[in-house]
Amino acid sequence: GAGVSQSPSNKVTEKGKDVELRCDPISGHTALYWYRQSLGQGLEFLIYFQGNSAPDKSGLPSDRFSAERTGGSVSTLTIQRTQQEDSAVYLCASSLDWRKNNEQFFGPGTRLTVL
Amino acid sequence: DQQVKQNSPSLSVQEGRISILNCDYTNSMFDYFLWYKKYPAEGPTFLISISSIKDKNEDGRFTVFLNKSAKHLSLHIVPSQPGDSAVYFCAASASTGGFKTIFGAGTRLFVKA
Repeated sequence: GAGVSQSPSNKVTEKGKDVELRCDPISGHTALYWYRQSLGQGLEFLIYFQGNSAPDKSGLPSDRFSAERTGGSVSTLTIQRTQQEDSAVYLCASSLDWRKNNEQFFGPGTRLTVL
Repeated sequence: DQQVKQNSPSLSVQEGRISILNCDYTNSMFDYFLWYKKYPAEGPTFLISISSIKDKNEDGRFTVFLNKSAKHLSLHIVPSQPGDSAVYFCAASASTGGFKTIFGAGTRLFVKA
């Protein structure tokens, strides 16, 4: 079966441009997470989509960051007016049931480089 | 505020010996704990978990121990193999917190042949 996929795998952009990162979770998974990992750092929580409930956006670092999850499936993370400090690997994960404790399945990540 | 802490950035172990990775947490509401393994250029993969109603969970060479009073958990790998060399993340979630998972900073394990 297909796992979590992310696109693009690599993205190089210029400072000030907008970028969109895509995540295709495992079919039927009701929870979807976005994290980022800066060089040498751990996993920083960004946003959590929990079923049809309002997403937990408490980890978004600034209002330049936003995310959507359409139809309970695909999610897009948008970063507006990118800055060099946004350079990181952006990881998406999904889990089966947002109402229970269960493991997350991660995609391979999108490496974003802001020049 | 780091709710999940992995204070050792790296650990080096000889092949065949035991690897012990440690994790501390501060939020007493956490009731589910997980360990993930991450190889370079890949996403983390789930390794083993433990509920707060248990103090030990074993799966093959991997055992997780939970000490609730100390807010401490550890992952034991025995015997360690070179293929175990990776970054290990400790994670925790709370049923009352919407099950949002908080990750530690990770510990890089080197298993020397």
